[in-house]
Amino acid sequence: EVQLVESGGGLVQPGGSLRLSCAASGFTFSSYAMSWVRQAPGKGLEWVSAISGSGGSTYYADSVKGRFTISRDNSKNTLYLQMNSLRAEDTAVYYCAKIVHPGYYYYYMDVWGKGTTVTVSS
Amino acid sequence: DIQMTQSPSSLSASVGDRVTITCRASQSISSYLNWYQQKPGKAPKLLIYAASSLQSGVPSRFSGSGSGTDFTLTISSLQPEDFATYYCQQSYSTLIFTFGPGTKVDIK
Repeated sequence: EVQLVESGGGLVQPGGSLRLSCAASGFTFSSYAMSWVRQAPGKGLEWVSAISGSGGSTYYADSVKGRFTISRDNSKNTLYLQMNSLRAEDTAVYYCAKIVHPGYYYYYMDVWGKGTTVTVSS
Repeated sequence: DIQMTQSPSSLSASVGDRVTITCRASQSISSYLNWYQQKPGKAPKLLIYAASSLQSGVPSRFSGSGSGTDFTLTISSLQPEDFATYYCQQSYSTLIFTFGPGTKVDIK
């Protein structure tokens, strides 16, 4: 069974740091790009970051560029999101998702984890 | 940056109704458009990819259409389990995505 399990969320003060993890199983992890998507309380979905299967290419939303770093360890089948300089507006449920790329600019997220909650507050 | 809009933002419908949700992109995105369903407290679920391709396991009452800037998600006969929020998502650039603001479908 294909599965993604996020961890690492919690309460952190403004300006603090947190590292999220996403453990993948049931598929060849290194063959797929991966992404983080977040959802603030009562709000819609916001794409945060994505990384290629090899880890050589990374992409960020403007709202987190320079503060968040996405990475992956293909030997451990794990995706990471290092979050620095956290702000109240980063409070959200963070989901990891597996990206399917059949060609051209066709990319879609076919498997999602259950999410981990990050709260930034003093 | 490509912006996505959805209409309506919410709608009330009855079981058995035909429901149509519209998504519009700020520039042409060909057919690089996906649709997701999200229920409260749950992760999103992929319904439609590439504007009109039905994801495996998704009931055939769901369909997608459109290309360029205007897209629609149609539920041909609304079922009780379809009450949820629906999001469109564009993928016109390599591994850069934008979601629409969502359309909440609730019970009339």
